[in-house]
Parts: sequence; structure tokens; C-alpha cells
Amino acid sequence: NAGVTQTPKFQVLKTGQSMTLQCAQDMNHNSMYWYRQDPGMGLRLIYYSASEGTTDKGEVPNGYNVSRLNKREFSLRLESAAPSQTSVYFCASTRSGTQNTEAFFGQGTRLTVV
Amino acid sequence: AQSVTQPDIHITVSEGASLELRCNYSYGATPYLFWYVQSPGQGLQLLLKYFSGDTLVQGIKGFEAEFKRSQSSFNLRKPSVHWSDAAEYFCAVKGSQGNLIFGKGTKLSVKP
Repeated sequence: NAGVTQTPKFQVLKTGQSMTLQCAQDMNHNSMYWYRQDPGMGLRLIYYSASEGTTDKGEVPNGYNVSRLNKREFSLRLESAAPSQTSVYFCASTRSGTQNTEAFFGQGTRLTVV
Repeated sequence: AQSVTQPDIHITVSEGASLELRCNYSYGATPYLFWYVQSPGQGLQLLLKYFSGDTLVQGIKGFEAEFKRSQSSFNLRKPSVHWSDAAEYFCAVKGSQGNLIFGKGTKLSVKP
């Protein structure tokens, strides 16, 4: 059971470079989410996709874009990376965002911007 | 606004001692509540969840949590802590968009 798979696991970028974080789930879930985790801040929502074809901003969307490529995949793009985007990024999915369902998380991507 | 507060940033307990991690939430409707654990460098593992029904919920690894609506609390407990329980613990409530709203976490250290 793969669950939620994120790639890459680690990445170092230079300021101004771009990259895309990939996330795929094999549970036929409708809703997918991107969070960032910073020390002492818990996890904060960047963007989410309630269903295929829709995306919405979360709490901290600035500097990011997302694409819900299909029902399985939800990517996060940094167009011009900044040191403030150094963080651990987690992707999650749920069967349906409005029901009493639990979220399943990927193993995270540790990103460092120098 | 929906929010979760974990008042304790860091707790140290002796191995074999009991543990209680505090969590308070702010949410207008019936909350869906979760506790996750994260070991260093790892992802999040679900310990337990509360959706409805019995207010005392059992989870994995011997953890339990009690939902108290009158106190807006969902505290996590374990009768006897093991050294392997050392990790960071996150309480979360499900938001109106299906996302999780997390507390800032409580780091647990275990003394031998």
C-alpha cells in the first residue's frame, strides 16, 4: 500500500531557482492538501484541492502555485525560491473534505533554499 | 476563527510515568479531532481520532484521548511512557474546507 507518495524527499535550491514538488495518492481520494512545517509553528496549509479540477488558497499561499493534474496527483510549484521557503513540505489526502474522514500524509519533502 | 492550542511546548517525563498532553480547540460546530505523532525526520502518524460517540477514544501504542466539549479540550494520555514515545505530538481539528488545523506541537522527552 503506497498511500501518499511525495518526491523528492530532499532538495537544495539556490535563491531564485524554481522547482515542483510532486504528490500522488493511490486511495482514490477526492481532496488533497499541501502543508508546510516550520519549527514551533506546527503545520500550516498552503493550498488545497477539494476535488479534481479545483484548487484554493490556504493560510500561507504566497510564493506558491499548485496544479491538480488529475485525481491522483497534486503538485506544488515554487517559481522563484526564497530562503523563507526553507521548510518541510507535506502532502495529504482525504476521501472527502467535508466528511468525517481522516487525512493520510506523505513522508515529506525537506527543502533548503540557500 | 478555528484554532488549536497546545499550551506545552516541551514536556519531560520519566520512563514508566504517566503522560498527559493538553489540547484546546476553538471550533463552532461539532469538531472532528485528531492526535498525530512525529518522530524526528519522519512523517506524521495518526494516533487516534474523535468523530462522535464515546468521548474516550483509544488509539495505537497505548494512547487514549478524552473529548470534553464543556472545556473545548481533547487531551492525550498514556498510563506508562516508554522511551520510544519520545517524539513531537500534534493535535488537530478538521477545518471547514476539510483541511486540518494543527496546534504548534508538544515535544516529549523521556528520561531513563
